[in-house]
Amino acid sequence: SQQGEEDPQALSIQEGENATMNCSYKTSINNLQWYRQNSGRGLVHLILIRSNEREKHSGRLRVTLDTSKKSSSLLITASRAADTASYFCATDALYNQGGKLIFGQGTELSVKP
Amino acid sequence: ETGVTQSPTHLIKTRGQQVTLRCSSQSGHNTVSWYQQALGQGPQFIFQYYREEENGRGNFPPRFSGLQFPNYSSELNVNALELDDSALYLCASSLRAGGNTEAFFGQGTRLTVV
Repeated sequence: SQQGEEDPQALSIQEGENATMNCSYKTSINNLQWYRQNSGRGLVHLILIRSNEREKHSGRLRVTLDTSKKSSSLLITASRAADTASYFCATDALYNQGGKLIFGQGTELSVKP
Repeated sequence: ETGVTQSPTHLIKTRGQQVTLRCSSQSGHNTVSWYQQALGQGPQFIFQYYREEENGRGNFPPRFSGLQFPNYSSELNVNALELDDSALYLCASSLRAGGNTEAFFGQGTRLTVV
C-alpha cells in the first residue's frame, strides 16, 4: 500500500520557473525523504527532513514539513531541463520495523527549455 | 554514482521460472533493502537485511526470499515467477537499519516475465 500521495501527478514548466510538488502521508513518521528518478532508473536521494524539522534547504531545493497536516512540499527553484524526472516522497514511519520506506506514486516533472 | 551496484541490468524470464538478482552495497553500509517498482508506480518495500538477518518484510509472498552475505552484498530470489512480477527491482543500502539514515539506491534490474 502507498502511504504517500503526491500532487500533482504531472507538472510541466518552462526553464527558469519554480516547481512545487506536494506530498501527503497517513501515519506518524520519523522522517520524510525526497528522491528523484530519471527514466525508470535508480532513485537518487535528494533530501531527508526529520519529524522535528520544519524546513530544509539543499542548493536549489527547499523542503517543508508540516506534521500536523501530515504533508510536505518540495520546491525546486530556477528549474533546468536537467531537472526533468519523476520525484517521489518516501516516509520512514514511526515505530517502523526494518527501515521500510513507504513511497508515494510520484510527480512527473517536465522542464521545457 | 551511489556505489550500489546491481546485476544484471535487464533480464527476461518465463513464467514459472526462478530468478536471482544481486546487489553490492555501498562501502561501509551493513543494511540492504529491496524494492519492487511496477511501471508508473512508486517503489514497494519487499524486505530488508541487517547484518545477514531479515529485519522487516513488506506484503510479498514467501516465494520472494533473500540473503545477505558477510560482505553485506545481497541477493533477491523469486520462485515460480508470475507475469505480475515484471517490474524494476531496486536495491538500497544504508549505513544502519532505521535511525534517520539515508538510503542509497542502485540502478535497478528490469525483470520481464513472459
